[in-house]
This record gives sequence, C-alpha cells and structure tokens, in this order.
Amino acid sequence: DVKVTQSSRYLVKRTGEKVFLECVQDMDHENMFWYRQDPGLGLRLIYFSYDVKMKEKGDIPEGYSVSREKKERFSLILESASTNQTSMYLCASPTTGSLSTDTQYFGPGTRLTVL
Amino acid sequence: SQKIEQNSEALNIQEGKTATLTCNYTNYSPAYLQWYRQDPGRGPVFLLLIRENEKEKRKERLKVTFDTTLKQSLFHITASQPADSATYLCALDESDSWGKLQFGAGTQVVVTP
Repeated sequence: DVKVTQSSRYLVKRTGEKVFLECVQDMDHENMFWYRQDPGLGLRLIYFSYDVKMKEKGDIPEGYSVSREKKERFSLILESASTNQTSMYLCASPTTGSLSTDTQYFGPGTRLTVL
Repeated sequence: SQKIEQNSEALNIQEGKTATLTCNYTNYSPAYLQWYRQDPGRGPVFLLLIRENEKEKRKERLKVTFDTTLKQSLFHITASQPADSATYLCALDESDSWGKLQFGAGTQVVVTP
C-alpha cells in the first residue's frame, strides 16, 4: 500500500519563525509536490520536485523554499512565517510519472497556524 | 484566464438518491480529468480518472462523464449512503509536463439517512 507521510498533523508557530514541513514517500517516485489548501480556493501548487536536488516553482512560491536531498523526502520551508501562511499544507506524489496517468497520492496534511 | 469551477454550495441529499456534481473548466485542454474525495482534516484520495477520448467511466456506485465540447465533467454517486458524505474535488492535468494538476475548490456532499 502506497504511503505519503507528513511530519506533523498540527503545528502552531509565531510570526517570523522558520518552519520546516517534512514529507516522506515510500513509492520510489521521482516527482513530489507541495500544495496549500484554503477554503474556497482549492489546492494551489507551491513547489514541486522531479528528482533529487531538482525543484521547480509552482503557482504560489513566494515566501517558501524547498529541499530534496533524498528521493523519498521533500521538505517545505517557510523562511519567515507570516499569518497569511496559515493554511493546510498537503504533500503529494504522483504515480510512476507517466504523463498520461498522474494520479496523486496525498499525505494526511499539516494544519499550520501562524500567530 | 484558466478556471475550474465546482459548485461551492453543499449538496444535501437523502440516502439512496443519486448525487450529481459538476466540474466546468475554461481555457484548458486536458488530456484527462480526475476526481478525488476529501474528508475533513485529511488529504484527498483518488477515485476515478477519465481520459479525453472517453465519454464515461464507472467504478462501483460512481460514474463520471467527460464532455470536452461542453468542457464539463459530471460525477454521480448512485444509491448514496451517509458514508459518502465528503468533499469531492475535480482535477485537470496541465498538459505541460511533470504531472501537474489543477484542482477545483470542491463540492461538499452531505447524505442524510
């Protein structure tokens, strides 16, 4: 059974703190994605990675960075957390990478609150 | 601009009836469309994929149609059960590379006994 795990289900941080969100997949997939989800806006892509040490900006990368040192692990970093980054963060990894069948497997999500 | 629209109002339906959800899109030419289920506080779970050359797809009590002329997909839950209560998201591929998907905001379904 495929699995995507995220390091925390709930996180509360203060404005200005550096925040690390970790995601691990056990499917040996090349691609991994970070989304944020806000009411009424759906899922929005922040960053994605198609290989170790490779990354690409998504639709809303401002205020975020990522790190992919190992194939199974993809980290999202909030360099200086702000209140408008309060959101649900979802990590995902698609199936084999075939461009015609990219079903996304999602982690359980991290609910981040920035005070 | 590109847009994916799903009904923002919750769909309240009685157990046993068929729930029908709509996904409309503009300025996309997707090769396929997917539907996901999301429970509160959880990540989305893949349900069905339908390709641009397919008109209809079924999986147990679920049925999806895809009309590329109307730029619309319909998602049906037949013989609905309270356990079907969740938010349902549609997603389109971007047809560029990397398996990127664009998601709608989702429609909540509430099935009452």
